[in-house]
Amino acid sequence: DAMVIQNPRYQVTQFGKPVTLSCSQTLNHNVMYWYQQKSSQAPKLLFHYYDKDFNNEADTPDNFQSRRPNTSFCFLDIRSPGLGDAAMYLCATSRGTYTQYFGPGTRLTVL
Amino acid sequence: RKEVEQDPGPFNVPEGATVAFNCTYSNSASQSFFWYRQDCRKEPKLLMSVYSSGNEDGRFTAQLNRASQYISLLIRDSKLSDSATYLCVVSSNNNDMRFGAGTRLTVKP
Repeated sequence: DAMVIQNPRYQVTQFGKPVTLSCSQTLNHNVMYWYQQKSSQAPKLLFHYYDKDFNNEADTPDNFQSRRPNTSFCFLDIRSPGLGDAAMYLCATSRGTYTQYFGPGTRLTVL
Repeated sequence: RKEVEQDPGPFNVPEGATVAFNCTYSNSASQSFFWYRQDCRKEPKLLMSVYSSGNEDGRFTAQLNRASQYISLLIRDSKLSDSATYLCVVSSNNNDMRFGAGTRLTVKP
């Protein structure tokens, strides 16, 4: 089945230790997104790639970076995780401006 | 003011009940509207898009009121499996989706 895959599902890191979250998709969608969702809050868009074009949200901290080496993969790099970065990180994809489909998420814990 | 606002609930209803959620949005240029469902510790999943004329999918009915800038979701004959958080999503274009914080529904036997 075509899908959006995120690895790992659970990630534990130490305060200040860089971490990379992975997203891959078999839907052949040209747009990929990263969202941060904290408990009982709305998913918050961090950035998205429209094809190779990177679109950063104005309020996304510099601590968050992203890479998209090819159509299928997109990475979220957190350079120096703080306690406030503990959250669920959701990857989503879409074909152009159509509906977004989400992966299962990576739950990040910062110790 | 938040871009998308929802009553967080929780809504606790018995099986078979009809329940309605509302959502208001602040951007009058919004063009696309959706309801997503999110189960505990899972990803959001599209429940239905919301069209200007209103639309129905089985027990679910969604409506849009552009003049008042709100959308609604009606669930008839609630099932235990409907228990989840319902997220209202609004977009000025579909690469710019703004989520509400969600309304939590619990359907009880």
